[in-house]
Order: sequence, then structure tokens, then C-alpha cells
Amino acid sequence: GAGVSQSPSNKVTEKGKDVELRCDPISGHTALYWYRQSLGQGLEFLIYFQGNSAPDKSGLPSDRFSAERTGGSVSTLTIQRTQQEDSAVYLCASSGDAGYGQETQYFGPGTRLLVL
Amino acid sequence: AQSVTQLGSHVSVSEGALVLLRCNYSSSVPPYLFWYVQYPNQGLQLLLKYTSAATLVKGINGFEAEFKKSETSFHLTKPSAHMSDAAEYFCAVKQAGTALIFGKGTTLSVSS
Repeated sequence: GAGVSQSPSNKVTEKGKDVELRCDPISGHTALYWYRQSLGQGLEFLIYFQGNSAPDKSGLPSDRFSAERTGGSVSTLTIQRTQQEDSAVYLCASSGDAGYGQETQYFGPGTRLLVL
Repeated sequence: AQSVTQLGSHVSVSEGALVLLRCNYSSSVPPYLFWYVQYPNQGLQLLLKYTSAATLVKGINGFEAEFKKSETSFHLTKPSAHMSDAAEYFCAVKQAGTALIFGKGTTLSVSS
């Protein structure tokens, strides 16, 4: 595709519900990243995929957060039993082969999550 | 461990004035360095990047940044501010095959 797309653009949920956020990377990009942007914490790294595997998931804040990537393309970030502190903008980015000089990450518009 | 410090959470300039947004990084090996801009309710847009080629990097919208290893700095400049430059700017650092580490951002305001 022309750019990274994310859906939904906005999500309002009740505390305790599960949510799924989707990211479609730029076609052909092998690396995919999830970040979270919140007022108090700035931009935080969550997880990184190279192909379908996740060599770095060190930024996931708790075991309520998980992510998968299938077919080397679409990725889904799942938050179980959402809490109010999960409210944030979730950003996805993709790049070419990380570690082979294609380091520039291109960002999607984000999903704005509000947990009531 | 890598880190990024952006001096000044908020910078205000007049239209036509010089824009200077400061970024200092900490890294044990030469990093990749980036500046991104974020307009309200939008994602991050790449302004420019340093990847160990020329130390003076030119980006979009008239912005440029100079990599100074001795000062561990990568300050962003624009000779003449435009109203449309008002946005939040993020400096970021990374190593090969790793995620971006962002500074806390600088909000640029431009007054007429």
C-alpha cells in the first residue's frame, strides 16, 4: 500500500474489555514496530517484529498486552482486560530489513484508545 | 543504553525567524538519528535522518540538521519559520535492527 494504515482510528471501550488494534504495513516492509504515545510517558516502544517473529518484546508493559504478525504483513496488538491507564494513542511503524541499512521507520496515523 | 534529550519542551518563534530545536543523544556506538514531526491528531512524519553519510542533513519543508559527534548533538534548524511549521517535533535515535528511542518532544509555536 501507499503507507502504513491502522484500524480503528478511534476506539472507546469499557474497563475490563479486550481490544484488538490492527496495523497494515507498507507492502514489502519486513520490520514492524508498535509504539504507544501517552501524555505522561511520551513515545514508548512496545514490540518489534522481523517477519513473523518478535525478537524484541521488551516494551510490552504487562502480560495483558500481546501482539502477533501473520504472513509477514498484518499485525494485531491485543490488550486484554483493559485498564484506564491503557488509554493512549497506539502507533504502528514499518521499515525495510532492519539491520541492513533500511532503518527508516514510517508511521501510521495511530489508533486512539480511550478506556472508560 | 541509548537516550535522547530534547532541550525545551516548548519553543516559540515569530514567523520568519530562525527555528532551532535542540537534541542531544547518548549512544555507545554511532547511531542512526531522526527527526519526526507530528501535526495535531496525526501520526509521525519523517523530516530527516542521519545514517553516517554527510553530517549536514537536509530534510523536507526547509529543515536541516547537523550531526556533531564531539557534542553528541543533532539540532534541527530552519532559517525562516512559517505558520505551518507549528507542530510537535521528536528527535529519535536507534541502532541497526532495534526500535527507535524518542525524546520527549518539543512543541513549536509560530506567531505572526
